[in-house]
This record gives sequence, C-alpha cells and structure tokens, in this order.
Amino acid sequence: AQSVTQLGSHVSVSEGALVLLRCNYSSSVPPYLFWYVQYPNQGLQLLLKYTTGATLVKGINGFEAEFKKSETSFHLTKPSAHMSDAAEYFCAVSGSGGYNKLIFGAGTRLAVHP
Amino acid sequence: SQTIHQWPATLVQPVGSPLSLECTVEGTSNPNLYWYRQAAGRGLQLLFYSVGIGQISSEVPQNLSASRPQDRQFILSSKKLLLSDSGFYLCAWSELGGPEGGYTFGSGTRLTVV
Repeated sequence: AQSVTQLGSHVSVSEGALVLLRCNYSSSVPPYLFWYVQYPNQGLQLLLKYTTGATLVKGINGFEAEFKKSETSFHLTKPSAHMSDAAEYFCAVSGSGGYNKLIFGAGTRLAVHP
Repeated sequence: SQTIHQWPATLVQPVGSPLSLECTVEGTSNPNLYWYRQAAGRGLQLLFYSVGIGQISSEVPQNLSASRPQDRQFILSSKKLLLSDSGFYLCAWSELGGPEGGYTFGSGTRLTVV
C-alpha cells in the first residue's frame, strides 16, 4: 500500500524567496511520484513527475523536485517565488506496474507575500 | 490532443434533491476514469474509479453512485442529496494500464447543498 505525507498544511514565503514544499511517501513497490498545483476553483494541473531515471525532475513554472529513495522524499522547490505561485500543492504516489490508483497527500497551501 | 470536460461548473441544490454530474473525455480510448471530492479545507478523496464501460469501483460508502454508460463518459449521481455532499467534485482520467503519465483533471464542479 502507498501513502503520502505532506509536512505543513500552510507555507508562507516572501516574493523572491526559496519555495520548499515537503513530501514523504510510503510505498511497497518502486513509486511513481507526482506534484500537482491547484488554483482556486480550478482542477489540478500536473507540475512534474518522477517515474524512472534521473532523480532530479524539472517541471513547469520553474519548479523542480528530487526523488530521494533513502529518505523516501520528493520535496518540491523553486529558487524564487512569484506572487502567481500562490496556490495549493498536492503530492501523489502510485505503485509501478499494472493498474494503480493515485494516492494524494492532504495538500499544502502556499502563500506568497510581497 | 486529449481533453476532459466537466459540467456544470457550479451547482446549488436543496437537501433531498437528485444530482447528476457529467464528465466526458475526448481524444483517447479506454481511459481509466475517476471521481474525487474535495471538501472545504480537506484533501482529495477518491470516490469512484472505472476501468471500462459498466465497471465501477467504489472507494467509500456514501450517498453517491457512479456510472459509465459509454467509454468516455462518467456520471456521478445521487437520488437524495445531503448537506454533507457539499464540496468540489473533480473528474480525472489516466491511460489504461497505469498512471505513469499522471492523471488529467477536469475543471471541477462546486456543489453546494442547502
């Protein structure tokens, strides 16, 4: 079985500061890992994903995440926050092979202050 | 390219009234289809998923039901709405066989039961 823990339901940063959103996962099989972003009253948009290969994954809007198997983590970062980054972010995990449901974390709401 | 349509965008319904939310996918065949609910201040809860026409799996016991009358159509229904059914409902699809590519979400339906 897979599970996801997102540390911090709310994160606040200043514009231009580093963004770090934490995600730890549990999986009995090699995981596929995802980060999604949700703007108010909208659906979820895929930011980036890790399936296999390079452990540092780059996504849209300047975000990136690093898969660390030893730490069972997949933290999301962005060097410099923009006001437009304010949204809710969801980490998700799925097992590899065959049909598997995507299991989402509880989400982290990112606020960006001027 | 693939697109997913979800309607209506917002809905206000009285307690005890029926519900029908529709989701259609274009540009793909045999997708896996999902219904999620997002209650205020809470994460994403998987309600139903479907791997084919007429094949519905329920994740949680509830007042809702789902149907898949056509390959790319997924319907969420209720005979009598409860106040607790209020929330943001999201439809999603993924490629058959596994979510390696991630899920693609619709724009959501905001349901308020009054």
